[in-house]
Parts: sequence; C-alpha cells; structure tokens
Amino acid sequence: KAGVTQTPRYLIKTRGQQVTLSCSPISGHRSVSWYQQTPGQGLQFLFEYFSETQRNKGNFPGRFSGRQFSNSRSEMNVSTLELGDSALYLCASSLGSSGSGDTQYFGPGTRLTVL
Amino acid sequence: AQKVTQAQTEISVVEKEDVTLDCVYETRDTTYYLFWYKQPPSGELVFLIRRNSFDEQNEISGRYSWNFQKSTSSFNFTITASQVVDSAVYFCALKSLEMSGSARQLTFGSGTQLTVLP
Repeated sequence: KAGVTQTPRYLIKTRGQQVTLSCSPISGHRSVSWYQQTPGQGLQFLFEYFSETQRNKGNFPGRFSGRQFSNSRSEMNVSTLELGDSALYLCASSLGSSGSGDTQYFGPGTRLTVL
Repeated sequence: AQKVTQAQTEISVVEKEDVTLDCVYETRDTTYYLFWYKQPPSGELVFLIRRNSFDEQNEISGRYSWNFQKSTSSFNFTITASQVVDSAVYFCALKSLEMSGSARQLTFGSGTQLTVLP
C-alpha cells in the first residue's frame, strides 16, 4: 500500500506570495491532518479534515487554510507569506477522525523557505 | 492541558550500546493513546508504536522495547544494541479521546536527537 505523499517536496517563495501544498493520504484513509514543524516551536497542529469537512483547527492565523476533496486528498494554502512561515509542513492520514485512536501516518513533508 | 516532556535533547552513544529515551506526559484524562515516532534526516515521521492508556503491558519488537508506567506517567523507549541507522530524532506523542477540538490531535514532545557513532 502506498504511503502518504506530499507535493512539492521543496518550495522557495518570497514574502507576500501565497503557496499551496498538496497531500494524498493512504488509500482508504479519510482523515488528513496538517502540522507545522519549526526548530523553535516544534511540531504544531494546523488543522484536520475528515470527509471534506474541517474538524479541528490549531492556533494559527487565518492566512493558513485548507480543504479536502471527495477522494480525501487535501491541500493547504498559506497566503501573504511571512519569513516565520518557513518550516517543514507535514501531512498525516488516518483511517478515522480525531475522535478515534487511529494512528496517524505521516508523509515526507514539504519544506517551505520564505525569503 | 496536555503536555509531553522529553527532557533529553540530545543523546550520543557508541554502536552496540543500549540507550533509553525518556518520555513523561501530563493529562487529566483516563482514555488516551501514546505514540513514538522516528524522524530520520529525510524528514518523514515514521510510526513506531501506539499504546492505549488501559494497556500497561510492556512491548518488545526486535531491538526496540517500550516501558509504559501509568503510576509515573512515563512511556520510555529502549533501543538495545544500537546501530548507526538508529540515528534520528525520536518523538513521543499523546492523544486524548476525552477532550474536544484541537486537543484531540497529537501533542508532541520536543524530541530527542539520538546519534549512534560507529
């Protein structure tokens, strides 16, 4: 079974631009969660989608948004990029939603650099 | 509030040594899951183990073993006869099923960088 895939793997953008990251979950998984990883803040939860609905959102500004499609693939968008948005963005999929104890399996991440 | 503490920021051992990574968690809930993930330099978080709060049995998988003690709120991870390929950052994480909203997501510790020297 293929794992979680994320595209692109690397991105370089400049301040003020916007970016869209993509995540394809493991086949059959309906929940997709996004995390931001930085050296200073560690791993922080961004949001979770389950059956095309946002179920939970972490403490991030409205510049961070996402969506999920009917095939469970998910995208996240960051608008008006700031230097502090430079990070590794990790996507994780699980069979059930956050209300279950299902294990989250992570993709390889997208490394975003904002200049 | 939930919290996971991995007090060991960096550990360095020589190949074939045993090493234990500590994880202490805080939660007021009785139903929760604990996880360990490995993050090699490539960046992907690799799932290692999941343990629910009602199962305190220790587990062994090859060179890996886990010691879960509710009395001390700890979920420690031991690698026996370490190898260079074990070098990575290891994260302990907690997920509560009794809370709501974003609190139901994984709460990660800050990670332990393990370096195994040849």
